[in-house]
Amino acid sequence: GESVGLHLPTLSVQEGDNSIINCAYSNSASDYFIWYKQESGKGPQFIIDIRSNMDKRQGQRVTVLLNKTVKHLSLQIAATQPGDSAVYFCAEIDTGGFKTIFGAGTRLFVKA
Amino acid sequence: EAQVTQNPRYLITVTGKKLTVTCSQNMNHEYMSWYRQDPGLGLRQIYYSMNVEVTDKGDVPEGYKVSRKEKRNFPLILESPSPNQTSLYFCASSLGQRNTEAFFGQGTRLTVV
Repeated sequence: GESVGLHLPTLSVQEGDNSIINCAYSNSASDYFIWYKQESGKGPQFIIDIRSNMDKRQGQRVTVLLNKTVKHLSLQIAATQPGDSAVYFCAEIDTGGFKTIFGAGTRLFVKA
Repeated sequence: EAQVTQNPRYLITVTGKKLTVTCSQNMNHEYMSWYRQDPGLGLRQIYYSMNVEVTDKGDVPEGYKVSRKEKRNFPLILESPSPNQTSLYFCASSLGQRNTEAFFGQGTRLTVV
């Protein structure tokens, strides 16, 4: 498959454990944040989003937390499964909503 | 099936030879954009388009051109490719004029020698 990041931070978790992936964003004017998952050889896939007027949003097995004070975003994955192994990117969108800035990504490795 | 289609998937070319990477979406999305992905740098936005005939530069537009003559198509043009444009390229589209919940294509691996 395609190599998306040879020197990415890596998080290794045991199957069934919870995973927490962190992201620091750069622009205090960003008002919309998204997490994407990228599997080997594929394009990024939307997971969950959150607007800046929220602190927390939950999806199916995933939760995103937003701390605007320290410009920090996290993605929590409950009961991590082998299929969750991928590279995860956070993205911030500016107030105008047109430009998107992606983080460098974190590789999640799930041990069976 | 809702999808974003890029062509070609793989391309090897020589410095200076003009090329176009096509991108088409079948979801009637307003917003489309191009990214390049390089190891350790994540995805960087090249150009984006909020609607037909409306385009603007992203963070790394140098050496690239785009056009949006129709809603469904957003080709990426490299007039004179150089080796530093060797990269993995992704096209994406979103429903509204904001780049929310983007759908990505499968990627185009470009090598410029």
